Amino acid sequence: QKEVEQNSGPLSVPEGAIASLNCTYSDRGSQSFFWYRQYSGKSPELIMSIYSNGDKEDGRFTAQLNKASQYVSLLIRDSQPSDSATYLCAVGDAGGTSYGKLTFGQGTILTVHP
Amino acid sequence: DTGVSQDPRHKITKRGQNVTFRCDPISEHNRLYWYRQTLGQGPEFLTYFQNEAQLEKSRLLSDRFSAERPKGSFSTLEIQRTEQGDSAMYLCASSTISGGVYWETQYFGPGTRLLVL
Repeated sequence: QKEVEQNSGPLSVPEGAIASLNCTYSDRGSQSFFWYRQYSGKSPELIMSIYSNGDKEDGRFTAQLNKASQYVSLLIRDSQPSDSATYLCAVGDAGGTSYGKLTFGQGTILTVHP
Repeated sequence: DTGVSQDPRHKITKRGQNVTFRCDPISEHNRLYWYRQTLGQGPEFLTYFQNEAQLEKSRLLSDRFSAERPKGSFSTLEIQRTEQGDSAMYLCASSTISGGVYWETQYFGPGTRLLVL
């Protein structure tokens, strides 16, 4: 059973601070990793994807991947109240026809307070 | 193209009734996925189509659930004899690996929220 673990939070940070979200996964063969943001009552929205070890930056977001440790993280710099949402870590299945199937963590609730 | 669309957005039904949901993927996407999400949890994979072929079904998908994707375009998910435990958000996502795309990215529709009374 493939598993993706996230700290469910809630994580509370002040406006302007760095929010750090973490995720671990069990399948060492996983090849693709995603962070989705989900506002209450809405569907997941892709914010970052990462496929190789190291850092990937996009605006205020930085994704970090360490395949040896089976660890993915998301840093949000200069956090804004509009960043308050649930952040879902998703891991892409590897191998065969199920290549694209995503396994999600339970999500981390982030609250950015003014 | 405005993205993945789903219909209806909300559905309330009584236990034992049948319901059907529709998903229209992004037009050039050849892969389509259905997921189910309950409160406080991440989405769980249900089934996957590549074009019109249903290539994988989760063990979560009981015999009361059936999905189709005729002609490889829109997809329907039907739940027969609904139970209260079927209450959830049903999400559709689409993606493509054609046209030189190597890494697959899934884009989600707005979801259909089902409440079984």
